Amino acid sequence: AQSVTQPDIHITVSEGASLELRCNYSYGATPYLFWYVQSPGQGLQLLLKYFSGDTLVQGIKGFEAEFKRSQSSFNLRKPSVHWSDAAEYFCAVDPPTSGTYKYIFGTGTRLKVLA
Amino acid sequence: KAGVTQTPRYLIKTRGQQVTLSCSPISGHRSVSWYQQTPGQGLQFLFEYFSETQRNKGNFPGRFSGRQFSNSRSEMNVSTLELGDSALYLCASSFGTGGPGELFFGEGSRLTVL
Repeated sequence: AQSVTQPDIHITVSEGASLELRCNYSYGATPYLFWYVQSPGQGLQLLLKYFSGDTLVQGIKGFEAEFKRSQSSFNLRKPSVHWSDAAEYFCAVDPPTSGTYKYIFGTGTRLKVLA
Repeated sequence: KAGVTQTPRYLIKTRGQQVTLSCSPISGHRSVSWYQQTPGQGLQFLFEYFSETQRNKGNFPGRFSGRQFSNSRSEMNVSTLELGDSALYLCASSFGTGGPGELFFGEGSRLTVL
């Protein structure tokens, strides 16, 4: 079945440590890929997106993501985490056949940052 | 410029009632999407409107409906509320043309059904 998987429900890192959040998708063709962040009580904010081209994508707040076609993955990374990065992170796809803005979201990864 | 505005932010209803939620998109955006967010099911697509027409629909029962007005503002309605309808309802807007694009989300309307 077509899906988006975020295997880690919770991740805890120390401030200043590096971070990698995993995202895998299952579609026949490469979908459009996104990472969003949601702070408590807030809506979702786009961190970065991948449509085509360079497989390493830079986003806001120092985040980057790498698209790997062979692994059907789009993992989010940050070299040094700040306490303010504590939030929930969602990987999302716009499936290649949807034709409209019918995004499919992963179940999210909740990030906790230790001081 | 102003972001996506959703009203009301919080509301409490009882089973069997109906509710209407409103979404004002970013100026110039013609596409409005609605998502339901719950702890158990995560973010699920409800429907998307573009130029007053429903372009796509998720897998929700007919109790969930929506519409879009000529100024791109959108409303969604849930009739005969059930306890399981308790959720954060998120609206997102985008230009809606020219291929895929970023969704801009509002802060949501948190519905509690008692």
